Amino acid sequence: EAQVTQNPRYLITVTGKKLTVTCSQNMNHEYMSWYRQDPGLGLRQIYYSMNVEVTDKGDVPEGYKVSRKEKRNFPLILESPSPNQTSLYFCASSLDLGPINEQFFGPGTRLTVL
Amino acid sequence: GQQLNQSPQSMFIQEGEDVSMNCTSSSIFNTWLWYKQDPGEGPVLLIALYKAGELTSNGRLTAQFGITRKDSFLNISASIPSDVGIYFCAGQLVRKLIFGQGTELSVKP
Repeated sequence: EAQVTQNPRYLITVTGKKLTVTCSQNMNHEYMSWYRQDPGLGLRQIYYSMNVEVTDKGDVPEGYKVSRKEKRNFPLILESPSPNQTSLYFCASSLDLGPINEQFFGPGTRLTVL
Repeated sequence: GQQLNQSPQSMFIQEGEDVSMNCTSSSIFNTWLWYKQDPGEGPVLLIALYKAGELTSNGRLTAQFGITRKDSFLNISASIPSDVGIYFCAGQLVRKLIFGQGTELSVKP
């Protein structure tokens, strides 16, 4: 089944404790992206990757890192999480970001930073 | 950065009613997209619009790409309980999607 998977689905952590949220897609997609969803703000892009070893900042990259060592994986790293990073996070992928290529979203990771 | 203004923020309607929501922007977009997010899941694409003035239907859903390329609307006709969820508009730029704030739809049977 074609899908985007994220792990973990839920995470409660404390300020300053490094964490990684994994994202994997099995559709051989070039483009991958991370969003955060907050009430009243919609989805905001954190980072995106056009291809292996090519990553770029989205609208809200502060406090996050990403890597794209393989096509299928695009982990999101929080080196020193803070409470304002409590949010619902989505990974997405598409064949590329041309106008006719649908972005497929993962199921989401709900992160709470205490 | 660019922003999309989506309205209304929430709607409470009776089953069978029609629904209308819209998005406006100060920026021009090449593509407008409408997504639906069911509770506990990621957004799923409903309709994509590629040309100014384009009107596209998908079952009971109809969406239009505004002539100015700065706005779009989504209509849902004869709503049913499974229409419940959050609807997002999104405008596509060269390398990213810009999302609206979302419209949360509740349908009363």
